[in-house]
Amino acid sequence: GAGVSQSPSNKVTEKGKDVELRCDPISGHTALYWYRQSLGQGLEFLIYFQGNSAPDKSGLPSDRFSAERTGGSVSTLTIQRTQQEDSAVYLCASSSEGSKPVLSRETQYFGPGTRLLVL
Amino acid sequence: RKEVEQDPGPFNVPEGATVAFNCTYSNSASQSFFWYRQDCRKEPKLLMSVYSSGNEDGRFTAQLNRASQYISLLIRDSKLSDSATYLCVVHLSGGGKLIFGQGTELSVKP
Repeated sequence: GAGVSQSPSNKVTEKGKDVELRCDPISGHTALYWYRQSLGQGLEFLIYFQGNSAPDKSGLPSDRFSAERTGGSVSTLTIQRTQQEDSAVYLCASSSEGSKPVLSRETQYFGPGTRLLVL
Repeated sequence: RKEVEQDPGPFNVPEGATVAFNCTYSNSASQSFFWYRQDCRKEPKLLMSVYSSGNEDGRFTAQLNRASQYISLLIRDSKLSDSATYLCVVHLSGGGKLIFGQGTELSVKP
């Protein structure tokens, strides 16, 4: 398909383990975003990539969270030493250009998310 | 104060009703505005962008008042399929991230 894809769709892990979440953006989209949505909460921004660089990491909640993007395409969000409060849906989005003031280019398209449960 | 605030839900309306959602934002550097729709256990999907002049897409009308930092969404002749959570979303100038409101849940009943 042509949309944003994420894997795995569901992940159950034990407290203290590391997890890796993957996002494949829409082909050609230069901007990639990670958000998370906890139960009953709104979407919370985590990190934004423009190409392979991350000009805004302000939303990462702690140094246990990190993300990288290679080849201007796939991104991986890593959570080290997971805690129960990390349980959430992790959503990835992409857009054709992140910072230009043109609405069509700013539109972010979301993947289906990874549901993470930390026991 | 939250950066984007929406009417608390849920809104329970009969089919055919007109329903209005309101949203306020606190950052005057906000540049672009959107309404997204999120169905239960699904990802958010863009419903419509919001322009200063107001814009309409079928049964949906969005309005923006920059002076009051206020955004609205009007749904006319509501359908059962309109049941979802509606997210007010703001994009700040100079950056890529979207700021989401908490969402307003709409339930359209037969």
